[in-house]
Amino acid sequence: DIQMTQSPSSLSASVGDRVTITCRASQTISSYLNWYQQKPGKAPKLLIYGASSLQSGVPSRFSGSGSGTDFTLTISSLQPEDFATYYCQQSYSSPRTFGQGSKVEIK
Amino acid sequence: QVQVVESGGGLVKPGGSLRLSCAASGFTFSDYYMTWIRQTPGKGLEWVSYISGSGSTIYHADSVKGRFTISRDNAKNSLYLQMNSLRAEDTAMYYCAREYLNWFDPWGQGTLVTVSS
Repeated sequence: DIQMTQSPSSLSASVGDRVTITCRASQTISSYLNWYQQKPGKAPKLLIYGASSLQSGVPSRFSGSGSGTDFTLTISSLQPEDFATYYCQQSYSSPRTFGQGSKVEIK
Repeated sequence: QVQVVESGGGLVKPGGSLRLSCAASGFTFSDYYMTWIRQTPGKGLEWVSYISGSGSTIYHADSVKGRFTISRDNAKNSLYLQMNSLRAEDTAMYYCAREYLNWFDPWGQGTLVTVSS
């Protein structure tokens, strides 16, 4: 199975900050990498697919980059509604696997 | 709109059984792979089972193989997960999701399964 490792596991940031979360795969996954946002008590929601494509309706302050084994999710200017947990997920091979999550908290 | 809604969760004793259902709407159900994903505080998100649009291709994670069975009824736009021989470690929120190309969207709101005596 492909292992997905996110860092940091949690971070504290202020509204307006630029936030970067990284995700590393245990083997190359090309660009088969997706990002999800989960708020408390809610299901995960797709943000980014194919490493860098923004899902319809997702604000442009979210962006994704990377290929191979190293990927990044960036929030250019953190908004109050962005405080949540973010997960990466590989779709290169089965079983699909997720990172352990990165929780973005209010400083 | 495109949505999926799970039901069937609840409290069950170890060794017991439960059947989860997922009702889909807003898309041509038979065209898509469908997936069950579970989430626990300790293990995070775990892909449990998937089934192809026709039902001919099925996958179960090793952790549930031989105990869980995924199925679908395309005439009813419904997905199912039959869970037998339940263990405490199966306690989780279970999500139904459509696999669209290579990603999961949408997800349902989840149904909670608790295995406890």
